[in-house]
Order: sequence, then C-alpha cells, then structure tokens
Amino acid sequence: GAVVSQHPSWVICKSGTSVKIECRSLDFQATTMFWYRQFPKQSLMLMATSNEGSKATYEQGVEKDKFLINHASLTLSTLTVTSAHPEDSSFYICSPRGGTQETQYFGPGTRLLVL
Amino acid sequence: AQTVTQSQPEMSVQEAETVTLSCTYDTSENNYYLFWYKQPPSRQMILVIRQEAYKQQNATENRFSVNFQKAAKSFSLKISDSQLGDTAMYFCAFILQGGSEKLVFGKGTKLTVNP
Repeated sequence: GAVVSQHPSWVICKSGTSVKIECRSLDFQATTMFWYRQFPKQSLMLMATSNEGSKATYEQGVEKDKFLINHASLTLSTLTVTSAHPEDSSFYICSPRGGTQETQYFGPGTRLLVL
Repeated sequence: AQTVTQSQPEMSVQEAETVTLSCTYDTSENNYYLFWYKQPPSRQMILVIRQEAYKQQNATENRFSVNFQKAAKSFSLKISDSQLGDTAMYFCAFILQGGSEKLVFGKGTKLTVNP
C-alpha cells in the first residue's frame, strides 16, 4: 500500500494555542486529501476534502475558520487547529488519494490533547 | 445517499478459529468499490481487502476473504485461522466509482481474538 506520514503523532497544547498537523504522501501524488476526526470507539468522521491548489470543502458542522487546511503541493497537506479548546481533543487522520484511484490509504494519525 | 451498516458492535473468536464480520450497504448505483479496513490499537488504518462491484469473484487476501452478494447488498469479511494480531476494529467502507467521491464508513466491529 501507499506510504503516508503524519507529524506530529502526539501533541499536547494549552487552550487558545494553534496546532499544525502535517500529512505527506511519500510515494504517490495526492491530488485529493481527506481529513478525518475520530473520537474513541467511534468511526471516522470526514471533516474536509481538499484538492491540490484549491480551497478545501468542509463537511456540515465543521468550522472552516477553526480547522484551516492547506494543500499546496501534491505531497503535502496541513491541518491547523486554531485557538484550540479542550473539545478539539481528538484523533486526526489524513488520507490522500491520487488521480482517479478509489482506494484510500491513511496516515498514522495525530493525537491532540488540549488542556 | 449511500449508507453502510455493521450490525455487530463487538465479536470475539478463539485463536485459530474462523470468524465472519457482517456488512450491508445501501446504494442505487451500480459501479462502486467496497473495502474492509482494520484499525488495531495503534489506530493506524490498514486496508485489509478491496472488492470491485463489477467483479463477481470474491476477493481474497491470504487468511481474509469476502462474501460479496451484490443483489443483497452484503459484503461480509471472513477471517480464517484467527491470530492474536487480528484483534482490532474493523470498518466496512463503500465508495462510488469516479475518483471524486467520498468514502462512506460503517460504525465498525470490535474483534477480539482470545488465546
């Protein structure tokens, strides 16, 4: 399968600070990037979809000003959680997809804890 | 809208035994793909198996095989010779063919393999 890296794997921050999560597709060009959020014992919830060079499309209920997504290149996308609050504590997973392929691979995830 | 239903929140199996996880889906489309993903305690999402809807032959990957019943919209996963490392959450997922569609997940089945 595809190789996807995510950094950092763990982050603890104070309430009010911003956190940036990087996602890289290491062996293919990601024309589309999906960002998911997962709460304990639940399924993945899609937050937003971005195409390289375009603005992200956010799912209903996801604040675009809070979760800033940048997909400036075919191998790198970032998710910035701005002014993080304890309720933003969660597990964030990126998933790049290339071209017309339907199979999605996933990054290892980032655990965010906001104190 | 497409939906995926996993009716078994939790299952357990003895090591070396066989277990089947259920998944049903709902769509009015004819061209799509189905997947089973595994999420072990590390929370890394791992692709287990993929099935193209246009293929009648059931997909197999080593100890993992599916029973794809298109008319019944059923896509079950059989794990043979269960191993302790198979302990994980298993998610059934669906995506329409086209390259621009979103992956739809079921709620997951927590599988425990007992020694």
